[in-house]
Amino acid sequence: GAGVSQSPSNKVTEKGKDVELRCDPISGHTALYWYRQRLGQGLEFLIYFQGNSAPDKSGLPSDRFSAERTGESVSTLTIQRTQQEDSAVYLCASSLEVGGEGEKLFFGSGTQLSVL
Amino acid sequence: GQNIDQPTEMTATEGAIVQINCTYQTSGFNGLFWYQQHAGEAPTFLSYNVLDGLEEKGRFSSFLSRSKGYSYLLLKELQMKDSASYLCAVCHRGSTLGRLYFGRGTQLTVWP
Repeated sequence: GAGVSQSPSNKVTEKGKDVELRCDPISGHTALYWYRQRLGQGLEFLIYFQGNSAPDKSGLPSDRFSAERTGESVSTLTIQRTQQEDSAVYLCASSLEVGGEGEKLFFGSGTQLSVL
Repeated sequence: GQNIDQPTEMTATEGAIVQINCTYQTSGFNGLFWYQQHAGEAPTFLSYNVLDGLEEKGRFSSFLSRSKGYSYLLLKELQMKDSASYLCAVCHRGSTLGRLYFGRGTQLTVWP
């Protein structure tokens, strides 16, 4: 596709339910990030995939959060047993390569998650 | 983590010039990015600096001093549409798996 695609764009769920968010990066992009952004706040790093290297999971807030990526393609972020504090916009971004301006990120439009 | 500081809010009037500062502390520095984020939208890339000096792109310029751990984004001839959050992001190459660290963003409001 022409850009980073995220689905769904909006997700409303009940506390305690599991949710799965999907990200399709730009074709050929080796790096993929997940960020969380609460209303009026900055970007909170969650996880980073780079090629076939082990992902950097240092930003995941709890063991309820997990993410996978298939090769250099689709990624899914799973939140188990959702809590109201998980309500936020979840942004996915990809970049062409490591190093230099090629590392600039292209963001998807995000998934607005609301936990009732 | 990496310490990245930028002011929380700034205001300016249409037609004016505004400078948004960003300071950082990191080892393995490998470039600094500025992004613009309008309310309710995803961030979009504005500029990239890896060497000291000024990079100019139309109304927007970005400056970097690696020795001082300092960058600024300069916006000239401000327009109402420039009201947005401006994010400073530092690329860290301290390990084999480098990544971008974002500041909290500076909310710029442009008044008529």
